[in-house]
Amino acid sequence: GAVVSQHPSWVICKSGTSVKIECRSLDFQATTMFWYRQFPKQSLMLMATSNEGSKATYEQGVEKDKFLINHASLTLSTLTVTSAHPEDSSFYICSARTGTGLSNQPQHFGDGTRLSIL
Amino acid sequence: SQQGEEDPQALSIQEGENATMNCSYKTSINNLQWYRQNSGRGLVHLILIRSNEREKHSGRLRVTLDTSKKSSSLLITASRAADTASYFCATDNAGNNRKLIWGLGTSLAVNP
Repeated sequence: GAVVSQHPSWVICKSGTSVKIECRSLDFQATTMFWYRQFPKQSLMLMATSNEGSKATYEQGVEKDKFLINHASLTLSTLTVTSAHPEDSSFYICSARTGTGLSNQPQHFGDGTRLSIL
Repeated sequence: SQQGEEDPQALSIQEGENATMNCSYKTSINNLQWYRQNSGRGLVHLILIRSNEREKHSGRLRVTLDTSKKSSSLLITASRAADTASYFCATDNAGNNRKLIWGLGTSLAVNP
């Protein structure tokens, strides 16, 4: 159980293109999803926390107009990288947590999206 | 921001040996979690240990937590080549909107 599907797994596109990444919880409802960015051989950097039915909470230094997050349902969150440039090339990973409130539950991760901007 | 620190940063062992990775953190926690990441993939949850627990086992994995020292260790016994991956600790901090604070990770190579 607790499967998270993320796609696409790989995107190569030209500079200036907007790219949408989807994150779906397949067998559970996720009121909260998380979007991370990871550089090679480094740890995860939290970009934003996505809350179903409300605006995402962005971490300091993350441009909300650049990285648009929509969490329209309990099973789907999307991250759109708008007008992507080569510096946006990275590995993007989503996760979702089962349970609500203060429950001790782990996060369940998608397989990531490798974004390459030419 | 990263508050966890893991050591070693890289570990290379032979199949059959045990691997120990350590994680330190700075603030009070609700729980501490260990994850595994194969190259180019997402993370897989391994074990969650609550702040009132001291040790937890899952198969060949053993996790300890010392809240007085703000540290945790992950032991993998009888390692296999398939255990080769990066291992991350993450803390779920009290009053932190439930987001995880991640360590820098340990890269484990198990040689056949």
